[in-house]
Amino acid sequence: NAGVMQNPRHLVRRRGQEARLRCSPMKGHSHVYWYRQLPEEGLKFMVYLQKENIIDESGMPKERFSAEFPKEGPSILRIQQVVRGDSAAYFCASSKTREHEQYFGPGTRLTVT
Amino acid sequence: DAKTTQPPSMDCAEGRAANLPCNHSTISGNEYVYWYRQIHSQGPQYIIHGLKNNETNEMASLIITEDRKSSTLILPHATLRDTAVYYCIVNRMSSGGSNYKLTFGKGTLLTVNP
Repeated sequence: NAGVMQNPRHLVRRRGQEARLRCSPMKGHSHVYWYRQLPEEGLKFMVYLQKENIIDESGMPKERFSAEFPKEGPSILRIQQVVRGDSAAYFCASSKTREHEQYFGPGTRLTVT
Repeated sequence: DAKTTQPPSMDCAEGRAANLPCNHSTISGNEYVYWYRQIHSQGPQYIIHGLKNNETNEMASLIITEDRKSSTLILPHATLRDTAVYYCIVNRMSSGGSNYKLTFGKGTLLTVNP
């Protein structure tokens, strides 16, 4: 049973470009969570999605960030017009239900130059 | 969620048991204790969770005190690959609540020495 998959593992973008991060949950999991880990800091919750629905986006910056989890395909975290402060590790987690434990992917390390 | 307190770092000899403490004196009745670890540059890995009874799985054992104000994660035979930051998290999500946001503090850096 494959775990949570994320790609790309490393992403380099210039300031002003767009970054698209993908997350495929574990088989049988329909709940997806995105977390961000800034350098030397702990993980911070960003958004919680269930198939085709955003349940809670309270941790998302108000501008430039969006997330989706379509009926078919992976969940996407999209960052428009990236700035240096967006450089971080972005982790996706999935769970069977919102009451079950979350399993994390390997992360995408975004570097903005 | 209740606040947790963990020592910033610990050392353990390879092959010995690693006992990682966590204080959560303000834990409420429906909050579970979760343990995750993060090996350098990897995603957090779920280890174990429990409410009030001791729990054991293939990775570790979780001992929760009777008053639930503290707990200990036990790795019975630590290996070099167990070197990681270990996070103790108190959360209500397994109680059917809506608190699915995991809050990661600074955790304990466990270093397993050869």
